[in-house]
Amino acid sequence: AQTVTQSQPEMSVQEAETVTLSCTYDTSESDYYLFWYKQPPSRQMILVIRQEAYKQQNATENRFSVNFQKAAKSFSLKISDSQLGDAAMYFCAYTVHNFNKFYFGSGTKLNVKP
Amino acid sequence: DVKVTQSSRYLVKRTGEKVFLECVQDMDHENMFWYRQDPGLGLRLIYFSYDVKMKEKGDIPEGYSVSREKKERFSLILESASTNQTSMYLCASSGQGKGTGELFFGEGSRLTVL
Repeated sequence: AQTVTQSQPEMSVQEAETVTLSCTYDTSESDYYLFWYKQPPSRQMILVIRQEAYKQQNATENRFSVNFQKAAKSFSLKISDSQLGDAAMYFCAYTVHNFNKFYFGSGTKLNVKP
Repeated sequence: DVKVTQSSRYLVKRTGEKVFLECVQDMDHENMFWYRQDPGLGLRLIYFSYDVKMKEKGDIPEGYSVSREKKERFSLILESASTNQTSMYLCASSGQGKGTGELFFGEGSRLTVL
């Protein structure tokens, strides 16, 4: 069975510092996709970053980057130069190639201190 | 601007009432999903639909049903609401096997059952 585990229920980071959120997953598939989603307080969930399993290069989106370790089934999110607007719940998610079933972790609440 | 719209942001219902949660997407997506979000549990899939009139059970379908009569609309029905169905409900859509695989979310419907 596919599962996604986020072991950090809550984290804090100082503004302008760097923070890493952890995610591990379990799957027997070889073709799959991993995502990090952000849910700001009382606002819509939005995509932060996406990684295809067949790509060895780690995805980056501005201040957001991932460390994808396929053999270890690990997919961590690094946020550089943290900003107050980064405060949110972050969810790690997994899907297979036909995108008809997504599995989510339990989420990590990120606090950003001014 | 792509959109997933959920009909109600906040609802308060009484035990035993029938509840309809509506979701409309304007992206011509084949896949539509209903998730339930509870603290510490992340997002759990209730039902999903990959085509009009097609549906599949997710991980927690008990007490829920769905309807998809048109491609753009996916409804979640609680036939007889119970207090343990008090939760945040999120609708999402994605393109089937094409595009980025990104899930697009609605703003959520917070249901309280008294």
